[in-house]
Amino acid sequence: EAGVVQSPRYKIIEKKQPVAFWCNPISGHNTLYWYRQNLGQGPELLIRYENEEAVDDSQLPKDRFSAERLKGVDSTLKIQPAELGDSAVYLCASSLMRQGNTEAFFGQGTRLTVV
Amino acid sequence: GNSVTQMEGPVTLSEEAFLTINCTYTATGYPSLFWYVQYPGEGLQLLLKATKADDKGSNKGFEATYRKETTSFHLEKGSVQVSDSAVYFCALRASGGYQKVTFGTGTKLQVIP
Repeated sequence: EAGVVQSPRYKIIEKKQPVAFWCNPISGHNTLYWYRQNLGQGPELLIRYENEEAVDDSQLPKDRFSAERLKGVDSTLKIQPAELGDSAVYLCASSLMRQGNTEAFFGQGTRLTVV
Repeated sequence: GNSVTQMEGPVTLSEEAFLTINCTYTATGYPSLFWYVQYPGEGLQLLLKATKADDKGSNKGFEATYRKETTSFHLEKGSVQVSDSAVYFCALRASGGYQKVTFGTGTKLQVIP
């Protein structure tokens, strides 16, 4: 079974430019997460989807970040415009939320460098 | 709010040494507890988990016991290998409906031959 797939793996952009990340979750997983992991830190949740609905976006900087999950499957995370402080690894994860199941599966992440 | 505190790294051990990575948490109720591992260049992988007090999670020779009285979930392995070199994250998911996973800052482990 394929895991969570993210692309690109690496992205280098100049500040003030836009950037987008893509995530394909594990087939059948209804819950999708975007996390940001700063260097030397643990991941922090940006947004969580249940199917196509964003049910927790309280940590998403909405002035420059946006996300969508069309048809409740793939998801994109966009930053426009990017700032130097956005340099981080952006992780996508998915899970099948059901009673007793608490495991999330993570992709390899996209390492963003803003210069 | 919920939080996870784990020992700072890096931790450097010789092969076959005993490993302990301390983790304590703050949460209301009875959270689920996890250890994730991140090998160089790879994504996070669930290493083990425990969902209630006194449960012991184990995998690949690693163990951690859910201690509610000390709010701890320390990771242990009796004999580490070079291939265990990675960053280890302690995490929790609070109880009561859906709750997000909260991660610690990670502990880098380096095992030398």
